[in-house]
Amino acid sequence: DTGVSQDPRHKITKRGQNVTFRCDPISEHNRLYWYRQTLGQGPEFLTYFQNEAQLEKSRLLSDRFSAERPKGSFSTLEIQRTEQGDSAMYLCASSLGAGVGYGYTFGSGTRLTVV
Amino acid sequence: AQRVTQPEKLLSVFKGAPVELKCNYSYSGSPELFWYVQYSRQRLQLLLRHISRESIKGFTADLNKGETSFHLKKPFAQEEDSAMYYCALLYSTDKLIFGTGTRLQVFP
Repeated sequence: DTGVSQDPRHKITKRGQNVTFRCDPISEHNRLYWYRQTLGQGPEFLTYFQNEAQLEKSRLLSDRFSAERPKGSFSTLEIQRTEQGDSAMYLCASSLGAGVGYGYTFGSGTRLTVV
Repeated sequence: AQRVTQPEKLLSVFKGAPVELKCNYSYSGSPELFWYVQYSRQRLQLLLRHISRESIKGFTADLNKGETSFHLKKPFAQEEDSAMYYCALLYSTDKLIFGTGTRLQVFP
């Protein structure tokens, strides 16, 4: 499968614990995006990278969230001191470039449940 | 501020009936709009983009700047069209803002 891969598919954690998710984009895609989707809502933008540079972070991304893409390939999203409000589906997407001509390819997501 | 509104959470039709999924947007610039679809147990995938003026799986969508709408239409619904449909607006070149989605149920 040469699509976008996300790991793990599901994560259950206790409130206050740290969690880390991984995203492997399509290999030739230089842009990588993180979105979050809560129940009944559409995906909401969190942050994105061009190669290894993190170009923008949403206001939704509190100080407890950090994302990296160290070598411009895979990316990790870490949430520290998880809260119940962090429970959501975390989606990763990649694209070959920016703008309307470049479609996003989404991964299957990581479903986080904070208990 | 930019916004995408999908007023219907659920749309139920019978097979062969016409379908129209509504999408309205608010954006000060020139809008670039998309429809994404998510079938059961599958990932979110691009269905069509307005700039391509294409028809995918029998679906079309026309951008109406006067009404700030980008409704998705299909003349004859099929059972396999049952899915979650999201309208999305591209802003700042890079980011998508999504509507809350409409679930389409097509009954046999």
